[in-house]
Amino acid sequence: NAGVMQNPRHLVRRRGQEARLRCSPMKGHSHVYWYRQLPEEGLKFMVYLQKENIIDESGMPKERFSAEFPKEGPSILRIQQVVRGDSAAYFCASSPMDPSSYGYTFGSGTRLTVV
Amino acid sequence: GESVGLHLPTLSVQEGDNSIINCAYSNSASDYFIWYKQESGKGPQFIIDIRSNMDKRQGQRVTVLLNKTVKHLSLQIAATQPGDSAVYFCVSNFGNEKLTFGTGTRLTIIP
Repeated sequence: NAGVMQNPRHLVRRRGQEARLRCSPMKGHSHVYWYRQLPEEGLKFMVYLQKENIIDESGMPKERFSAEFPKEGPSILRIQQVVRGDSAAYFCASSPMDPSSYGYTFGSGTRLTVV
Repeated sequence: GESVGLHLPTLSVQEGDNSIINCAYSNSASDYFIWYKQESGKGPQFIIDIRSNMDKRQGQRVTVLLNKTVKHLSLQIAATQPGDSAVYFCVSNFGNEKLTFGTGTRLTIIP
């Protein structure tokens, strides 16, 4: 049973390009969460999605960032027109359908570097 | 606002000794707490959790204590090993489904 799979592990983008980060939740998990981690800091919540629905995007920057979790395929975090300040590690977590179980499992993250 | 905070940013412990990492939280609505371990270059790894209706929970070599009166919890690691070196995060859900991470304590095990 594979864990939460994120790809790519490392991503380098020039300023102004687009970054697309992918997350495949654990088998049987239908809730996906995206977090961002700056160096020497804790993880900060960005967005919570269920299949085809954004449940809570209170941590997402208003511009350039978007997330989706389609009926088929992985969840995608998209950052348009990247800037140096977007450089960070982006982690995805998933949990089972029953939210009261709180069985969060994190992936290994995507390290985005904007040059 | 809601917050969790660890008391010490760094902690060094001799191999084989016990370590205690402390954490305080601000919101009484928190009903679930998790300790995560993060090694360099990796994602957070679940260690142990505790619900607000409990004051103690034990796992393999780890114990979490919860004191709701003073809004404090701690992670105790027994007989520390080199593999315990990592950053430890105290995390709460504050009554909803998103997690709030503290700033982390970097635990270093001295051989």
